[in-house]
Amino acid sequence: AQSVTQLDSQVPVFEEAPVELRCNYSSSVSVYLFWYVQYPNQGLQLLLKYLSGSTLVKGINGFEAEFNKSQTSFHLRKPSVHISDTAEYFCAVSMDTGRRALTFGSGTRLQVQP
Amino acid sequence: NAGVTQTPKFQVLKTGQSMTLQCAQDMNHEYMSWYRQDPGMGLRLIHYSVGAGITDQGEVPNGYNVSRSTTEDFPLRLLSAAPSQTSVYFCASIGNTGELFFGEGSRLTVL
Repeated sequence: AQSVTQLDSQVPVFEEAPVELRCNYSSSVSVYLFWYVQYPNQGLQLLLKYLSGSTLVKGINGFEAEFNKSQTSFHLRKPSVHISDTAEYFCAVSMDTGRRALTFGSGTRLQVQP
Repeated sequence: NAGVTQTPKFQVLKTGQSMTLQCAQDMNHEYMSWYRQDPGMGLRLIHYSVGAGITDQGEVPNGYNVSRSTTEDFPLRLLSAAPSQTSVYFCASIGNTGELFFGEGSRLTVL
């Protein structure tokens, strides 16, 4: 079975500072990895995904993530955050391109302060 | 450009009542799924479908039924609502590269 661990439930950060949201997964086979963002009172939207190829993946809104197979991690980074990045971020994993379903982490709430 | 449409957005039920959450997608995706979101627990898979006429259970299927008579529609039925089913429910369809397209959610309160 696959599982996803998001190590931080909340991450406070000042505007224009860099941020890293951590995600580790466990799976005995190759995985496909995703980050989703949820703004208040909205559904989830895709930030970025790793299916294969380059381990550094760039997404929307200046976010990027790096797939590290040896450490089974897929941490999300942004070099300079904005107030508008305040949201909840979810890491998710699938073993078969997500065509069946994704397993989600418990989420990390990013709070950007002025 | 509707994508995934869920109704109702809000619902209050009494314990023991039944109801159906509707979900429709217009992207011709074969795969659809239902999740519930609870504070601190992320999203947990309730049921999913790999095509019309085919459904299967996820992590937390108890108390819920689904059917998939068409590609477009994937309703979720609560048979006898319980307070533990108070949650936000999300329907999602799955694109060819594994991306989930979510509806806006349905907030259910069971008294």
